[in-house]
Amino acid sequence: DGGITQSPKYLFRKEGQNVTLSCEQNLNHDAMYWYRQDPGQGLRLIYYSQIVNDFQKGDIAEGYSVSREKKESFPLTVTSAQKNPTAFYLCASSLREDEQFFGPGTRLTVL
Amino acid sequence: SQQGEEDPQALSIQEGENATMNCSYKTSINNLQWYRQNSGRGLVHLILIRSNEREKHSGRLRVTLDTSKKSSSLLITASRAADTASYFCATAPIYNQGGKLIFGQGTELSVKP
Repeated sequence: DGGITQSPKYLFRKEGQNVTLSCEQNLNHDAMYWYRQDPGQGLRLIYYSQIVNDFQKGDIAEGYSVSREKKESFPLTVTSAQKNPTAFYLCASSLREDEQFFGPGTRLTVL
Repeated sequence: SQQGEEDPQALSIQEGENATMNCSYKTSINNLQWYRQNSGRGLVHLILIRSNEREKHSGRLRVTLDTSKKSSSLLITASRAADTASYFCATAPIYNQGGKLIFGQGTELSVKP
């Protein structure tokens, strides 16, 4: 089945730790995106990538980092510099500048 | 910056009734999209309407777009309990780079059986 997967589903982080969220797609999409969603809120763009080995900051990139070494993969690292990382993280991909396909999300909690 | 603002924030209706959600935005757009999110899940794309279109239908969904008022509405007809979810509008600004979308805060729809 074609689709976009995220892992893990739940992630717990201690203060001062970096954690990496996985996002993989087999839809052959060029563009990939990372969003953050807080309770009762819409989505805010963290980073996006239009092509392998290239990515751009979104609206709330501080405290996050990404890489795009393969077309299929766009991992997000939440660094210790992100002071309030508890949130629901969503990854998406798109073929053109049209609809985006979303993964199931990762819920990150800081202990 | 928040492009889309949705109204109402929450809507509760009985099964069989119609549900209407509105979205307003600020800048010129290439297209406007509606997404659905069930609690704790990813978003699912429902419908896309381009800036040169005024109305679009998909099954029980009807979307309108008024670019002069910078607003859109999503109508779900003959609602079902399974329609209970949050609905988000997302705009693709005309200056768009990389297919970026700007999401609204969402409307939480509850359909009671």
